[in-house]
Amino acid sequence: DIQMTQSPSSLSASVGDRVTITCRASQTLSSYLNWYQQKPGKGPKLLIYAASSLQSGVPSRFSGSGSGTDFTLTISSLQPEDFATYYCQQSYINPDTFGQGTKLEIK
Amino acid sequence: EVQLVESGGGLVQPGGSLRLSCAASGFTFSSYEMNWVRQAPGKGLEWVSHISSSGSPIYYADSVKGRFTISRDNAKNSLYLQMNSLRAEDTAVYYCARRTYAGNSRTFDYWGQGTLVTVSS
Repeated sequence: DIQMTQSPSSLSASVGDRVTITCRASQTLSSYLNWYQQKPGKGPKLLIYAASSLQSGVPSRFSGSGSGTDFTLTISSLQPEDFATYYCQQSYINPDTFGQGTKLEIK
Repeated sequence: EVQLVESGGGLVQPGGSLRLSCAASGFTFSSYEMNWVRQAPGKGLEWVSHISSSGSPIYYADSVKGRFTISRDNAKNSLYLQMNSLRAEDTAVYYCARRTYAGNSRTFDYWGQGTLVTVSS
């Protein structure tokens, strides 16, 4: 299975900050990489698909980039509702696998 | 509005069985592939099983192959997961998730709120 490694595992930031989360794959994925946001007690929400495409309804402060093995999720100006856990997911090779998550906390 | 509502979770002893259900609404259920994804307490996400829109093909994670069975009833807009020979390591919140193909990716574009399965004596 493809291993997905996110960094950092946790991150403290303030409202208005620019934040970047990194996801690295154990082998190349082309651009078959998605990002999700999960809040406590809820199912994940799709934010970014195909590495850089914004899912409908997701605010434009979220962006994704990368290809091959290295990908990033950037939040340009943190809002209070963005404090959550973020996961990357590869869909290049079965089975789909997820990163371990990055918990974004309020500083 | 797309809605996925899981049910059927609970406490079960090791070796026991449980059947999860996922009721879908707000979209043409019979047109979409569906999946189960689980999350152990305080842990990350793990894909469990996939079923095509027609019911075949079906795929399972190695960790549940031979013990879990996914199925669907398109007439009832429902997805199921029959879980047998349950182990402590199957303890998790189980989510049903809709599969969509967008750009160069397969995604899970809608998820339910999950149902908790606890395997313990």
